[in-house]
Amino acid sequence: QQQVKQSPQSLIVQKGGIPIINCAYENTAFDYFPWYQQFPGKGPALLIAIRPDVSEKKEGRFTISFNKSAKQFSLHIMDSQPGDSATYFCAPPPVFGKGTRLSVIA
Amino acid sequence: ETGVTQTPRHLVMGMTNKKSLKCEQHLGHNAMYWYKQSAKKPLELMFVYSLEERVENNSVPSRFSPECPNSSHLFLHLHTLQPEDSALYLCASSQEASGDYGYTFGSGTRLTVV
Repeated sequence: QQQVKQSPQSLIVQKGGIPIINCAYENTAFDYFPWYQQFPGKGPALLIAIRPDVSEKKEGRFTISFNKSAKQFSLHIMDSQPGDSATYFCAPPPVFGKGTRLSVIA
Repeated sequence: ETGVTQTPRHLVMGMTNKKSLKCEQHLGHNAMYWYKQSAKKPLELMFVYSLEERVENNSVPSRFSPECPNSSHLFLHLHTLQPEDSALYLCASSQEASGDYGYTFGSGTRLTVV
């Protein structure tokens, strides 16, 4: 079955730090590599996504790095804030990672 | 509120009850989905509808019965559920069934089976 392996499961960083969440995949047919953000009591929301023809994409404080040969992509959050505390999922369709619970402490 | 609305937000039902979850999207999307989210498990895709036709059913027990009367509405009919079915049920929509333009999720229905 198609799978992705997301790490770490949980992460605690100080405000202003740069948390990095990684996702390794097996299926080379994946063509779209998104990250979703989920707050308690809400559904996941699309945060940022990348296509395999580029190696990096930035949107505000969020950056995706994509390594096609290693079959990995990662999410970086610059200048992290307490409001970024949430669960993050990598989700090349149709699969979802198990999620990373991020806590940003002031 | 997102473009996908789910009702009710919370539901408590007995194992012999029959209830339905409702999902509505006004995004003009062609595909709709039901997902199950349990603690410490990945999101589980249950059903996919594309242009009102079911295109995927991931070995879901028959006590869950989906219905898609039109491209804007999706229902999940529930009957004789088990306590292990307690979870957050999420509805999502996307431009097309490949999901290659991202999903828009509702806020979910928190289901508790007693």
